[in-house]
Amino acid sequence: DVVLTQTPPTLSATIGQSVSISCRSSQSLLHSNGNTYLHWLLQRPGQSPQLLIYSVSRLESGVPNRFSGSGSGTDFTLKISGVEAEDLGVYYCVQGTHAPNTFGAGTKLELK
Amino acid sequence: EVLLQQSGAELVRPGSSVKISCKASGYTFTDYYMHWVKQRPEQGLVWIGRINPANGNTVYAEKFKSKATLTADKSSNTAYMQLSSLTSEDTATYFCTIRAFAYWGQGTLVTVSS
Repeated sequence: DVVLTQTPPTLSATIGQSVSISCRSSQSLLHSNGNTYLHWLLQRPGQSPQLLIYSVSRLESGVPNRFSGSGSGTDFTLKISGVEAEDLGVYYCVQGTHAPNTFGAGTKLELK
Repeated sequence: EVLLQQSGAELVRPGSSVKISCKASGYTFTDYYMHWVKQRPEQGLVWIGRINPANGNTVYAEKFKSKATLTADKSSNTAYMQLSSLTSEDTATYFCTIRAFAYWGQGTLVTVSS
């Protein structure tokens, strides 16, 4: 199975600060069809996860553009340009290129 | 509006089985695979498997092949997951989700306790 390693496990930020989360895959997530199925989710406390970014860098509808995704192959990054209070929670990367789908362990974003 | 409405919380005995449901609305049920995800208390997300509602084809993560059974009823736009031989390790919230994890049910808490 593909292993997704997220760093850091915990992130402390102040409101307005820009932060980044890394997701590294044990194998390339480039599918034979040319797409890369690496997505980013946010789970706020007590809620279902919410899709933020799909296919590495595509912003899901309704998601603020302070969220952005980048990367290729095995290395991916989620950036938040100016953290807001509503951004607190646990961020997960997830891959859909290889069966079975797998999730990263999560990065908890807290207020400093 | 896409909605995935899951069945309510379950309290079940060790060794028993439970079947939870996910009723879909707001889209064509057969257009998207239905995925199921497990989350133990204070833990991360684990992919269980997925079903193609159009033909019933399933794919499971290895560790869930003898634990979970996924089915789908096109007549009622409802997906089901049955969990068998339940132990305390199965105590978790279970989610259904579609379209590259864009839409999620509210989760079903299954508590295994005697």
